[in-house]
Amino acid sequence: AQKITQTQPGMFVQEKEAVTLDCTYDTSDPSYGLFWYKQPSSGEMIFLIYQGSYDQQNATEGRYSLNFQKARKSANLVISASQLGDSAMYFCAMRRFGNNNDMRFGAGTRLTVKP
Amino acid sequence: DVKVTQSSRYLVKRTGEKVFLECVQDMDHENMFWYRQDPGLGLRLIYFSYDVKMKEKGDIPEGYSVSREKKERFSLILESASTNQTSMYLCASTYTTAGNTIYFGEGSWLTVV
Repeated sequence: AQKITQTQPGMFVQEKEAVTLDCTYDTSDPSYGLFWYKQPSSGEMIFLIYQGSYDQQNATEGRYSLNFQKARKSANLVISASQLGDSAMYFCAMRRFGNNNDMRFGAGTRLTVKP
Repeated sequence: DVKVTQSSRYLVKRTGEKVFLECVQDMDHENMFWYRQDPGLGLRLIYFSYDVKMKEKGDIPEGYSVSREKKERFSLILESASTNQTSMYLCASTYTTAGNTIYFGEGSWLTVV
């Protein structure tokens, strides 16, 4: 089965600095998508950014960018200019397309932004 | 706005009871998913469905079953609840085609005593 690995259970970053959250994945399917979600203490899942396996350029959404390295099977999330409101759990996920449309998540990284 | 509604936000059930968790989406999504979320383990896929009456096992299907009789509704069933099924359960839905955002419900906190 496909596997998503987030090796950082917790991360700290100073306000206004950039931070990178790591994510590696394992699949033999050629067509897949990579997602990052934010889960604040309220529990809702907030979609941040998406990267398709055939996309040539790295995805960006405001202060979020996805550093996609296909050969290394990594999809790291970069948050620039961290804000106190960025403190939350962050989940990386992969969805396969084609015959199988499942979607699996990593264990998550808890990010704490320090003032 | 897309809405994924989970019927119960908080439930307390006794060991051995049959438990139904309902999820309804209003966007005609083909795909629906059930996850459980536990600290340190992230979201683990229990079952998913890509069409009416179709279902596929995820990574932890043991002790669970699902039902999808209508496109908008995907139910998770705990046939005989056990204390190790105490968890937060999240339902999600999306279209089949690539690139579409997955939408989540608010979650159901289940405690089995």
